[in-house]
Amino acid sequence: ELKVEQNPLFLSMQEGKNYTIYCNYSTTSDRLYWYRQDPGKSLESLFVLLSNGAVKQEGRLMASLDTKARLSTLHITAAVHDLSATYFCAVEVRGGATNKLIFGTGTLLAVQP
Amino acid sequence: KAGVTQTPRYLIKTRGQQVTLSCSPISGHRSVSWYQQTPGQGLQFLFEYFSETQRNKGNFPGRFSGRQFSNSRSEMNVSTLELGDSALYLCASSEQSYEQYFGPGTRLTVT
Repeated sequence: ELKVEQNPLFLSMQEGKNYTIYCNYSTTSDRLYWYRQDPGKSLESLFVLLSNGAVKQEGRLMASLDTKARLSTLHITAAVHDLSATYFCAVEVRGGATNKLIFGTGTLLAVQP
Repeated sequence: KAGVTQTPRYLIKTRGQQVTLSCSPISGHRSVSWYQQTPGQGLQFLFEYFSETQRNKGNFPGRFSGRQFSNSRSEMNVSTLELGDSALYLCASSEQSYEQYFGPGTRLTVT
């Protein structure tokens, strides 16, 4: 069974600082997602990474994918309080015509002023 | 297009009861997946339906079941509720096997 590990589980950082969240997965997959979840809310899609070497950026967030290393990173640049949330990576597992997402444990990000 | 909708948004049930949750996918999407989110187990895949057929199932007991209707709307049912079934249940829809779009979720509390 595919395992997806995220670290750190909890990240407290000051505004203006940079940090990276790591997502490792155990078997081959061609598609990886990053989601944001605010308390009591659903999942908001941030990035879809479709191939090795893919890099996507939106505002202060940048995600990358290395399928050979089975590693994705979510880099936060100059954090602001509004980025406080839980971030999940999810790896897509395909079986024939069907697919399902295996989620990481999530990283709770708290940006302190 | 309207997004994925789920009803009800909040639900309180008693142990032993059963519950039915509903999900309406984005128009044109024929695949509906269900996920359970709990503090202890995180986000876990329950099942996926496509054209009224269950195509994939996660590792959950038989008390968890679902179905999909001809208009792609889906329901999931949990019978003989246990305290551990308290969770946020998320529904996601997609076109075939493309990106999944999540609904707002149903918060189920079992007392």
